[in-house]
Amino acid sequence: GAGVSQTPSNKVTEKGKYVELRCDPISGHTALYWYRQSLGQGPEFLIYFQGTGAADDSGLPNDRFFAVRPEGSVSTLKIQRTERGDSAVYLCASSFKRDNEQFFGPGTRLTVL
Amino acid sequence: AQSVTQLGSHVSVSEGALVLLRCNYSSSVPPYLFWYVQYPNQGLQLLLKYTTGATLVKGINGFEAEFKKSETSFHLTKPSAHMSDAAEYFCAVIHYSGNTPLVFGKGTRLSVIA
Repeated sequence: GAGVSQTPSNKVTEKGKYVELRCDPISGHTALYWYRQSLGQGPEFLIYFQGTGAADDSGLPNDRFFAVRPEGSVSTLKIQRTERGDSAVYLCASSFKRDNEQFFGPGTRLTVL
Repeated sequence: AQSVTQLGSHVSVSEGALVLLRCNYSSSVPPYLFWYVQYPNQGLQLLLKYTTGATLVKGINGFEAEFKKSETSFHLTKPSAHMSDAAEYFCAVIHYSGNTPLVFGKGTRLSVIA
């Protein structure tokens, strides 16, 4: 079946602009995660949804970052007033409730000029 | 809080040689441990995982890892490297209760020399 999909695959923006990154999880997966992977680093947790609500948003670096999952399926990560330091690959993963295996999407590479 | 240390940011082996990628973890509760592989411009793919039971875990592509509680280690091995094994490998840990974020190591890039 279809895996986790993320759009766009690449996004180039200018400093100060607003961006939205989309994640479409595997059908039926209730848990959804966002991670950020900077160059030469492992993925770092940003936010986790169980259903429609954010169960843990402790990884969001500041209030410029926000994520939603209004219908418990697709999620959007929103970044306001982008900064060059936001440049990274943003990964999305999903899993069944109470299942430990997270399935990752291919990521969105964000470049802030 | 959990943490993961991967020793060696880059490992280079000859084709057919043993692959050993090291991972040590820190966790105050029983951990679940994972190895993921990432090929260029692709997402993370699960190689294997340890949750409970047998401490030697076999995964895809001939990889295996052994959970050693006394050493807080979960090293990844493969008896004979293949060119297609060249990729970035990440060790990760979560709280045993599940449905919690993965904590990743910084990764080890494996190069395979012909």
